[in-house]
Amino acid sequence: KQEVTQIPAALSVPEGENLVLNCSFTDSAIYNLQWFRQDPGKGLTSLLLIQSSQREQTSGRLNASLDKSSGRSTLYIAASQPGDSATYLCASDTGGFKTIFGAGTRLFVKA
Amino acid sequence: SQTIHQWPATLVQPVGSPLSLECTVEGTSNPNLYWYRQAAGRGLQLLFYSVGIGQISSEVPQNLSASRPQDRQFILSSKKLLLSDSGFYLCACRGGAATGELFFGEGSRLTVL
Repeated sequence: KQEVTQIPAALSVPEGENLVLNCSFTDSAIYNLQWFRQDPGKGLTSLLLIQSSQREQTSGRLNASLDKSSGRSTLYIAASQPGDSATYLCASDTGGFKTIFGAGTRLFVKA
Repeated sequence: SQTIHQWPATLVQPVGSPLSLECTVEGTSNPNLYWYRQAAGRGLQLLFYSVGIGQISSEVPQNLSASRPQDRQFILSSKKLLLSDSGFYLCACRGGAATGELFFGEGSRLTVL
């Protein structure tokens, strides 16, 4: 059974800092790994999706990497801004119509 | 990309009352549809998923049910709400692309008193 863990649970950084959010999963037989952002009281917004055959994906200041052999994915945020404050969730798709989510990392960027 | 509409956005209901949450999808056809629940401070729990009209799979035994009367409509229901049904309900969609990307609606917050 796939388990997804995100560390740390919460993170506070000053504006402008580069940061890395971590996601680990127990079953390396994944189809894809997806990163989401969730603002308080809102739904999830898809940030990046990495297919199992890919090593990384980039969108603007965001870069997500995937290492299936070690069961890890990271989300790198460059030059963080207060508007980046949100909860970030990773999710792995192992097929069978089920996606397993981590509990998320709550990020606070201080101005 | 897909757009997912959920309503109502907020709902306060007494224990024992019925429930109906609706989700509709635009921008794709024959999607896989999902209902998730997010309790305060906890992760997402998959409740139901559907691969087609009238096809519902339940992940968690409970007093909730789901229906899919049309290709892009997914409904979450209950005949009698419990206090434990309170939470944030999210509808999600996967379809129309080979990537398998999952998209979410804005959610419906249910408070049972």
